[in-house]
Amino acid sequence: DQQVKQNSPSLSVQEGRISILNCDYTNSMFDYFLWYKKYPAEGPTFLISISSIKDKNEDGRFTVFLNKSAKHLSLHIVPSQPGDSAVYFCAASRTYSGGGADGLTFGKGTHLIIQP
Amino acid sequence: DVKVTQSSRYLVKRTGEKVFLECVQDMDHENMFWYRQDPGLGLRLIYFSYDVKMKEKGDIPEGYSVSREKKERFSLILESASTNQTSMYLCASSWGQGNTEAFFGQGTRLTVV
Repeated sequence: DQQVKQNSPSLSVQEGRISILNCDYTNSMFDYFLWYKKYPAEGPTFLISISSIKDKNEDGRFTVFLNKSAKHLSLHIVPSQPGDSAVYFCAASRTYSGGGADGLTFGKGTHLIIQP
Repeated sequence: DVKVTQSSRYLVKRTGEKVFLECVQDMDHENMFWYRQDPGLGLRLIYFSYDVKMKEKGDIPEGYSVSREKKERFSLILESASTNQTSMYLCASSWGQGNTEAFFGQGTRLTVV
């Protein structure tokens, strides 16, 4: 049973336009959400995160929106640049009463292609 | 600068061999993880450890074991490699308390022939 879903395997966007990547989750216990970027033959690199107590977080060209009632989050990249072409993974985790957290649960990824 | 280092970028092993994948982090992180990435399946958690000598099964632990004798080192062991374990293996680490990002190594592309 997939707890984190990225329903678009690929997305093509023109350079300079906005890229919107979507992610849905089913586990209501998740309280922390992250986006990672991955180039071929490299490990994922952390992009941006959001706690469940917030609905928006910005970092430069990257903004993540969280809609808890819909169990949906999205990553906006504005403006899109050629170097943004990569696979983007949505991930989620939950904290336990002792403060610890277990491993991240990842979606299957969306391959973003920025067209010149 | 944070660093997670995996011992090999590429490995080719024969079916039935015992395989060791090593990972070292220099950030004094409590948590360490092993994932595998396969096309169309994303990253799936194999095992994780939240302290020395502690380990927890992830989503796909079958055919694997782990060892964490020191805080900075987390090893993934394929007891008897099989062709369906051909994959990209990714090690990660994170702080122990609260929600924080995990930092990943560069990955090991393992091919079992």
